[in-house]
Amino acid sequence: EVQLLESGGALVQPGGSLRLSCAASGFSFTNYAMRWVRQAPGKGLEWVSTISATGDRTRYADAVKGRFTISRDNSKNTLYLQMSSLGAEDAAVYYCAKHKYYYLSSGSDHWGQGTLVTVSS
Amino acid sequence: QSVLTQPPSASGTPGQTVTISCSGSNSNIGTNYVYWYQQLPGTAPKLLIYISNLPSSGVPDRISGSKSGTSASLAISGLRSEDEADYYCATWDDSLSLWVFGGGTKLTVL
Repeated sequence: EVQLLESGGALVQPGGSLRLSCAASGFSFTNYAMRWVRQAPGKGLEWVSTISATGDRTRYADAVKGRFTISRDNSKNTLYLQMSSLGAEDAAVYYCAKHKYYYLSSGSDHWGQGTLVTVSS
Repeated sequence: QSVLTQPPSASGTPGQTVTISCSGSNSNIGTNYVYWYQQLPGTAPKLLIYISNLPSSGVPDRISGSKSGTSASLAISGLRSEDEADYYCATWDDSLSLWVFGGGTKLTVL
């Protein structure tokens, strides 16, 4: 059974930094691209970032480019999202999701339960 | 403003058929597969349809997807109270080189 378990969400001050983690199990992590998607309170889904299976290719939404860094450790079956210069607009539930296929343009077939990031002073 | 356009709301009575549309352009829906997700209140999204018209595992056959040109649709027949949820379409955009979601449609079962 595919399982994705996010962690690292917290209350952070504006301008602060945070690292989210997503522990994956139940599938061959090294064979699939992964993505982060966020959802602000009462809002829709917003794609944040994608990383290839080997980690050599990444994509970012314009809203986070230059502030967020996606990475993965295939030896630990873990996906990361390093977030910096956080603002109120970054407050959301952050989901990690597994791509259904290996390529970057694939949709996701499994999602974690999400981790909440709150930005407030 | 989402790249993919969905109606913000839809509704139907039990047993009815409801269709949710998703409008895009040549650079996204026109050339790529569409995925549909269901999000029940307080839960993570769940994949319903992939490659535009294939149901994900466990999805009842009263839920179907289709695509024509630059638009896609999700149809739910035999509407049930448990179908009340938010529905999102998504696809890859070749021009933007990134993944895009529709704004979501809130389905209410009257």
